[in-house]
Amino acid sequence: EVQLVESGGGLVQPGGSLRLSCSASGFTFSSYAMHWVRQAPGKGLQYVSTINSNGGKTYYADSAKGRFTISRDNSRSTLYLQMSSLRAEDTAVYYCAKGTQSYSDSASDYWGQGTLVTVSS
Amino acid sequence: DIQMTQSPSTLSASVGDRVTITCRASQSISTWLAWYQQKPGKAPKPLIYKASSLEGGVPSRFSGSGSGTEFTLTISSLQPDDFATYYCQQYNSFWTFGQGTKVEIK
Repeated sequence: EVQLVESGGGLVQPGGSLRLSCSASGFTFSSYAMHWVRQAPGKGLQYVSTINSNGGKTYYADSAKGRFTISRDNSRSTLYLQMSSLRAEDTAVYYCAKGTQSYSDSASDYWGQGTLVTVSS
Repeated sequence: DIQMTQSPSTLSASVGDRVTITCRASQSISTWLAWYQQKPGKAPKPLIYKASSLEGGVPSRFSGSGSGTEFTLTISSLQPDDFATYYCQQYNSFWTFGQGTKVEIK
């Protein structure tokens, strides 16, 4: 059974940093691209970032460029999102999602339950 | 960047109704389109990929169609479990989501 479990969310002050993790199981993690998507309270889904299967290519939404870094450890089947210079508008539930291919431009077939990040003083 | 526009934003319907949601892309995305269902407090659930292919376990009352810039999600006979918010997503070039369509009880 495919499982994606996010962790690392919490309350952080504006300008602070946080690292999210997504622990994967039930599939060959190193074979698939992985994605981060967020959802602000009461709002729609917003794409954040993608990493291809071997970690060699990364992509970011404009809102994340220069502040967020996506990475993965295929030996640990874990996806990461390092977030810095956090702003109030980054407050959201952050979901990790498994791609259906090794490359970035593919659909997703499994999502984690999400982890809440709250940016507030 | 590719923009995705869904309509309507809210849809009121009754059990048994046929429901159609439209999604338009700002440029051609071939059939690189997915649909998701989301219920409050839950993660999005993939329903359809490649515009018209049903994910495993998704009831056959759900169907998708379209190509290029115009796409539709149809629920042939709305069931109580189908009241939720639906999102389209393009994956032709990175990802972009539509703003969502809330299907509520009439």
